[in-house]
Amino acid sequence: RKEVEQDPGPFNVPEGATVAFNCTYSNSASQSFFWYRQDCRKEPKLLMSVYSSGNEDGRFTAQLNRASQYISLLIRDSKLSDSATYLCVVNPGGGYQKVTFGIGTKLQVIP
Amino acid sequence: NAGVMQNPRHLVRRRGQEARLRCSPMKGHSHVYWYRQLPEEGLKFMVYLQKENIIDESGMPKERFSAEFPKEGPSILRIQQVVRGDSAAYFCASSPREGAAGTEAFFGQGTRLTVV
Repeated sequence: RKEVEQDPGPFNVPEGATVAFNCTYSNSASQSFFWYRQDCRKEPKLLMSVYSSGNEDGRFTAQLNRASQYISLLIRDSKLSDSATYLCVVNPGGGYQKVTFGIGTKLQVIP
Repeated sequence: NAGVMQNPRHLVRRRGQEARLRCSPMKGHSHVYWYRQLPEEGLKFMVYLQKENIIDESGMPKERFSAEFPKEGPSILRIQQVVRGDSAAYFCASSPREGAAGTEAFFGQGTRLTVV
């Protein structure tokens, strides 16, 4: 089993739709979780951290389910500019940052 | 405050040549991480360095790859005798302290290495 698993997609959704991605992780002791966004041929950029209680940033909502070992990202009212690959990132813990990236889920928002 | 700077952005090498990739961290950041992203794959951790020290190189291939972060100057990822399979995007990230999680690590724009 991979350390971090994501459905690579692509997810093709119309503008205005709500779309959700899940990501599962294998290490139950993992400590912190993030969603990154990566545009085509660009560097990854932090989208949001994922907190145990769930958190929201505008149209984006992230949730963590430790019991089932998955995190999710919900995007409401999709915009064309949301088209990108969304990377799930898990920090297994330890004294330094050695995060594990998922393969990413590709989202294409269509007009 | 400039971000993480990587150069060159694009690098073409013939099989058997050497590739040198440079990464200048953000001002005030003394921790550097290198990642490799193969086409249609996720980012894979390669090495974590602090100034003059390699902290974790568990993701580095055993041969041909080396990394350094000298007291002065950028971090260098060096690939000797490149092969076609080394073609990938190489990203570095920097952070201001050990244990800094995603909120404090910033990526450079990457170097795209093509081996012909």
